[in-house]
Amino acid sequence: DVKVTQSSRYLVKRTGEKVFLECVQDMDHENMFWYRQDPGLGLRLIYFSYDVKMKEKGDIPEGYSVSREKKERFSLILESASTNQTSMYLCASTPRGSFMVTEAFFGQGTRLTVV
Amino acid sequence: AQSVTQPDIHITVSEGASLELRCNYSYGATPYLFWYVQSPGQGLQLLLKYFSGDTLVQGIKGFEAEFKRSQSSFNLRKPSVHWSDAAEYFCAVGARGSQGNLIFGKGTKLSVKP
Repeated sequence: DVKVTQSSRYLVKRTGEKVFLECVQDMDHENMFWYRQDPGLGLRLIYFSYDVKMKEKGDIPEGYSVSREKKERFSLILESASTNQTSMYLCASTPRGSFMVTEAFFGQGTRLTVV
Repeated sequence: AQSVTQPDIHITVSEGASLELRCNYSYGATPYLFWYVQSPGQGLQLLLKYFSGDTLVQGIKGFEAEFKRSQSSFNLRKPSVHWSDAAEYFCAVGARGSQGNLIFGKGTKLSVKP
């Protein structure tokens, strides 16, 4: 069974802390994504990566960075957490297909609260 | 630019009633279209997808969706709703030639009355 695993289901962090959200996939997928989900706003893309050590900004990258040192792992980093980053974070992966988008496989989400 | 609109934020139906969730997209060519479901506190699960061919696609859990190019729509339907269908539903479009990113609608929350 294919799996995308996020390291934490729930996190509570203090304002100003550096926060790491980890995502691991076991499908040998090239593409990995971090989305943020907020009520009424749907899913918004933060960053994505289509290869090891490669990263691309999504729609809302401010306040975030990412790291992809290994193919299976994609980390989202909040350099200095703020209360407006309280949200549900979803990781996803897709295989690379030539000029084709296949469905994304999602992790179970990490609900981050910044206090 | 691609976009997806789900006009209904929240829908309530009675158990056993039929369901239709609306989705409209904006895209210059034939899109790849998806419906995902998210149960409370969970990640997203793929219900069905349309790439080409037959415009009526069948998915899991008894769901189906119909692609209508003339209306730029991809509405999700189910003939008889079960209480376990209460969840949030997301329509998404994928771009040809993209790196695999999907553009999501803002979601429709479905409540089911007993």
